[in-house]
Formats: sequence, C-alpha cells, structure tokens
Amino acid sequence: GAGVSQSPSNKVTEKGKDVELRCDPISGHTALYWYRQRLGQGLEFLIYFQGNSAPDKSGLPSDRFSAERTGESVSTLTIQRTQQEDSAVYLCASTPRGGVTGELFFGEGSRLTVL
Amino acid sequence: QKEVEQDPGPLSVPEGAIVSLNCTYSNSAFQYFMWYRQYSRKGPELLMYTYSSGNKEDGRFTAQVDKSSKYISLFIRDSQPSDSATYLCAMSRGSARQLTFGSGTQLTVLP
Repeated sequence: GAGVSQSPSNKVTEKGKDVELRCDPISGHTALYWYRQRLGQGLEFLIYFQGNSAPDKSGLPSDRFSAERTGESVSTLTIQRTQQEDSAVYLCASTPRGGVTGELFFGEGSRLTVL
Repeated sequence: QKEVEQDPGPLSVPEGAIVSLNCTYSNSAFQYFMWYRQYSRKGPELLMYTYSSGNKEDGRFTAQVDKSSKYISLFIRDSQPSDSATYLCAMSRGSARQLTFGSGTQLTVLP
C-alpha cells in the first residue's frame, strides 16, 4: 500500500507569512507524529496524535505552531508568522495500533525555506 | 547538554570495510534503542530495534546496547555503496511514544 504522504514537498515563503503542511498517514495507522529536522541536526519531536486527540504537544516550539488531525486521517501543521529559524524539513510519521515500539513510518518530508 | 550525542561525521570508508557508529546518552530512563537509516531527501526508516542491554544481529548489521555505560553502537560488516546514508540513533522511555534522536552520522561507502 501507499506510504505516508506529505505535501508540499518544498515550500519557499517570506518571513511573516503563514504556512500549512499536510500529512496523509498510512491507512489504518492510528498514531501520527510531527518532527522537525534542521540542517545537520537530528529529528526534533513536535507533536503526537492518537486518533484526533493530541496527548503530547510538548515539542511545539511556540504558539505560532499548531496542528490538528481529522479522525485517524489527515493532519495539518500550521506555522503562523514564519521566522527564518523555522526553515527545516518537517517530517510526519505514523504507526499502527500495537505496532513495534519505536517503529515509525516516515514520509519524505516538507522542506520549508523562510526567506 | 543534549540527551543523545552522536558524532555527525562525515565518515567515509572503502567498500567491504567494517563500520562502527555510536551514540551516547544521558537519560537512564531510556529502554528502547533504535537505529534509523535516512537516504538523501527521504524520510528515515527503521533499521534495527533493541530493548534494554545486549546485542542484536540482522544480516550484516549488529546493534549493541550497554546501558551501564549509556552507549549504543551499530556495526555494519562488509559495507556496500548502497549503505551510504545518514544513520540516526533513537531511543524512547518505556511506553513513551515519542523518540529522542541523535543528530545522525553521514556515511559514505566508496566503491
């Protein structure tokens, strides 16, 4: 079946604009995660959804960042008033119920550049 | 200080060499240890998974965890050009769903 799908794959925006990044998880996967990967750095946890609720939002760096998910389907990560430090690859991952601990299925990411 | 430290490399080896990749960590609560492989412009994919201390072997890959030293390793035997990628260690606490990743080591295997 299809893997995790993310769009857009690349986004260039001007400082101060809002952006929306979309993630379509693997069908049937109940959990969904957003991570951020800055150049030369590891993955930074942002938020985790179980179904459409977000029990852990601890990684969202500021109130400019928000995310929502519709049921066990698509999720949107919104960054308001983008700053240059928001430039990164935003990775989405999903896992099935009862899956192997630590096995996240990642999409190819949305590469965000803030000018 | 980061919870997980990983030498970023880059590491360049000839084909057929044995590769050793390592991470250290500071949080003794970590119980699950993973190695992910990330090809350029792709998402990471799980390569190896280990629970607590010990060794795990899968083909040319061996993962080692030493909880007493807070040190984990990934060994690649008979390395191939197709192994060229960034290798990320990751770990989690108990049933915690989010993973803490190292910064990744970029590996190039030269033919």
